[in-house]
Amino acid sequence: EPEVTQTPSHQVTQMGQEVILRCVPISNHLYFYWYRQILGQKVEFLVSFYNNEISEKSEIFDDQFSVERPDGSNFTLKIRSTKLEDSAMYFCASKIQGVWEQFFGPGTRLTVL
Amino acid sequence: EDKVVQSPLSLVVHEGDTVTLNCSYEVTNFRSLLWYKQEKKAPTFLFMLTSSGIEKKSGRLSSILDKKELFSILNITATQTGDSAVYLCAVEVPNFLTSGTYKYIFGTGTRLKVLA
Repeated sequence: EPEVTQTPSHQVTQMGQEVILRCVPISNHLYFYWYRQILGQKVEFLVSFYNNEISEKSEIFDDQFSVERPDGSNFTLKIRSTKLEDSAMYFCASKIQGVWEQFFGPGTRLTVL
Repeated sequence: EDKVVQSPLSLVVHEGDTVTLNCSYEVTNFRSLLWYKQEKKAPTFLFMLTSSGIEKKSGRLSSILDKKELFSILNITATQTGDSAVYLCAVEVPNFLTSGTYKYIFGTGTRLKVLA
């Protein structure tokens, strides 16, 4: 069964460093999302992406964040200069047109030291 | 501001008990409400509800939506230890930036623990 994959599963970085989190959505899906979940807290919407552009972003998604779909299969989230409070689980999700269900990837745990 | 609130925050029951999890919402433009189960990592989809009063059922789980009172409930009957998880409610709302696209606002979740 096709699934969303994410790499790495765990990333540890120093404050101020750039990180790139990678996602491979399901191949015929057209809508892509990034969410984060700080430990013990709720899942928070970051950004949605459709037709090669951002279709919505939350207040969390400031200019330190960017997303890209560089090659038609990968969907990346870049954090330019990480802060301690960026430590969280980051989930990628994708969905097909006309269907409500999003499929989530297994997540990347980002730890900023 | 769009808001989704779940209650209770956590619940401990014994195997065989029936539980009811609540999700209330205040959003500008409602499209659908979804329930997810989150065990160790990624949420997995349970139900999607768009219409009031129509119960969705899958085995021991069922869910219903009340669009007048702005809430949904998720029922689990004859609970088992494998039902232990965080149950998430999310409401789908339109994006402002790009018409015809949507985002999902999640509640805090209800942590359910089922004891043997």
